[in-house]
Amino acid sequence: EVQVVVSGGGLVKPGGSLRLSCVASGFSFSRSNFNWVRQAPGKGLEWVSSITSSGSYIHYADSVKGRFTISRDDAKNSLYLQMNSLRVEDTAIYYCARESGSFDYWGQGVLVTVSS
Amino acid sequence: EVVMTQSPATLSVSPGERATLSCRASQFVSTNVAWYQQKPGQAPRLVIHGASIRATGVPARFSGSSSGTEFTLTISSLQSEDFAVYYCQQYNNWPPLTFGGGTKVEIK
Repeated sequence: EVQVVVSGGGLVKPGGSLRLSCVASGFSFSRSNFNWVRQAPGKGLEWVSSITSSGSYIHYADSVKGRFTISRDDAKNSLYLQMNSLRVEDTAIYYCARESGSFDYWGQGVLVTVSS
Repeated sequence: EVVMTQSPATLSVSPGERATLSCRASQFVSTNVAWYQQKPGQAPRLVIHGASIRATGVPARFSGSSSGTEFTLTISSLQSEDFAVYYCQQYNNWPPLTFGGGTKVEIK
């Protein structure tokens, strides 16, 4: 059974940092590409970042470039998103998703709230 | 950046009726388009990939088609569990990966 579990969300002040984690099982983690996607309250889906299976290719949306860092630890079947210099507009539910072209497996999402 | 434009924003349909959702890409994206279904409080779920290939476990009443840069998701006979928001996404020209703004399918 495929399971993708996201953790690490919460309330943080503007300028603060937060680290999200995503643990996946039920498929080959090490051979999978992964992405982070977010959804602001009441809004649509926004792609945030991607990382290939080898970790060699990493991309970011312009809105988070220079502030967010995606990484992975295949030994722990884990994907991470380090979020620094957080802004109010980063408030959203953050999902991790496995990518095989399209996004076939999604985690349940965690809420990140940036507010003073 | 490829802009994906979905229409309509809201579609009111009676159970058992047909629903047709549209998505237009601002440039050529081949058939690298996916459709996702999202219900309140849930993560998106892959419905269609490759413009017309149903994802595993998706009922046959869901179908996808394409013509140039126009993409269509059709639900042949709406069931109660199909009322949701649907997003299209292109994965041909990226970064960035881009989603449409969504179409809410609601009960008429």
